[in-house]
Amino acid sequence: DTGVSQNPRHKITKRGQNVTFRCDPISEHNRLYWYRQTLGQGPEFLTYFQNEAQLEKSRLLSDRFSAERPKGSFSTLEIQRTEQGDSAMYLCASSLPTGDNEQFFGPGTRLTVL
Amino acid sequence: AQSVTQLDSHVSVSEGTPVLLRCNYSSSYSPSLFWYVQHPNKGLQLLLKYTSAATLVKGINGFEAEFKKSETSFHLTKPSAHMSDAAEYFCVVSDLSGATNKLIFGTGTLLAVQP
Repeated sequence: DTGVSQNPRHKITKRGQNVTFRCDPISEHNRLYWYRQTLGQGPEFLTYFQNEAQLEKSRLLSDRFSAERPKGSFSTLEIQRTEQGDSAMYLCASSLPTGDNEQFFGPGTRLTVL
Repeated sequence: AQSVTQLDSHVSVSEGTPVLLRCNYSSSYSPSLFWYVQHPNKGLQLLLKYTSAATLVKGINGFEAEFKKSETSFHLTKPSAHMSDAAEYFCVVSDLSGATNKLIFGTGTLLAVQP
């Protein structure tokens, strides 16, 4: 399968715990995006990487959130001291640096904070 | 700033009848517009995209969308609905104001197809 993959697919955690998600983009895509989707809403942008450089972070990304893409390939998104409001679907997408910006999405990681 | 407005949160059609999902956009630039579909418990799938070529865009599964600059609209249509079309549909604009080209999603339209 050459699509975007995300692990885990589901994560249930208790409030206050730390969680980490992983995204593996399509291999030749140098652009990588994280989005968050809450129930009944469209996805919202969180952060963007071009190769290993994190070039933009949304105001939605509080200081409890950190994302990395150390070698310009896979990326991780960590949430520290989780809160119930962090419960959402976390989506990863990747794209080539072409003009139309078609982004390919992974299946997402659904986080439930109890 | 770029934005999209999906005019209907829910649309219900009968199988075999036409589908119309409405979307208006706002953009300071010549926009790149997309429609994505999300089936329950599945990832987002690109239906079609407009990137300043032909104004009538054909996508997968018989869907089409027409870019109308004068109306700032990008409505999604399909001549005949199938049960498998039941899903949530998102109208999306690419934010071209910076270097990221992040996507800005509408709030979604949930399409129900009745037998």
